[in-house]
Amino acid sequence: EAQVTQNPRYLITVTGKKLTVTCSQNMNHEYMSWYRQDPGLGLRQIYYSMNVEVTDKGDVPEGYKVSRKEKRNFPLILESPSPNQTSLYFCASFREGRLNTEAFFGQGTRLTVV
Amino acid sequence: ILNVEQSPQSLHVQEGDSTNFTCSFPSSNFYALHWYRWETAKSPEALFVMTLNGDEKKKGQISATLNTKEGYSYLYIKGSQPEDSATYLCAPSESGSRLTFGEGTQLTVNP
Repeated sequence: EAQVTQNPRYLITVTGKKLTVTCSQNMNHEYMSWYRQDPGLGLRQIYYSMNVEVTDKGDVPEGYKVSRKEKRNFPLILESPSPNQTSLYFCASFREGRLNTEAFFGQGTRLTVV
Repeated sequence: ILNVEQSPQSLHVQEGDSTNFTCSFPSSNFYALHWYRWETAKSPEALFVMTLNGDEKKKGQISATLNTKEGYSYLYIKGSQPEDSATYLCAPSESGSRLTFGEGTQLTVNP
């Protein structure tokens, strides 16, 4: 089954404790992206990758890191999480490097930083 | 960051009503316009991706139109059903490399 898989689905952590949210897609998609969803705001892009070893900042990259060492995986790293990173996170992949095809979203990760 | 506006913010209709929403975006440097349907506790799911001015797309009772010259897209739902209750997101791309999502229109269809 074609899918984007995020883990974990839910996470409560403490300020400053490094964490990684994994994202994997099995569709050989070129483009992958991380978004966060906060009340009253649209999905905001954190980082994106148009291909292996190519990553770029989105609208809200501060406090996050990513890597794209292989096509299928695009982990989101929070080196030192803070409470303002409490949010609902989505990973998405697109077949093409240019966004004229639809996004496939992961199940979401609800992160709470206390 | 693109300025994307969706209206209305929320909408309550009765089963069987037809409804429509608007997505407004800057008309310059247009590349593509995406529509997604997002049900509570689920992930957004793609409805349409449109790239050409005048595009019209249809999926079941849902259809969308695109006007890139004036910078807007309409989403129509004919004969709404309770299962159509969801948040509908639009997301234009001006470069082909990034999407900017609107805040969405939250639709509630009462039985």
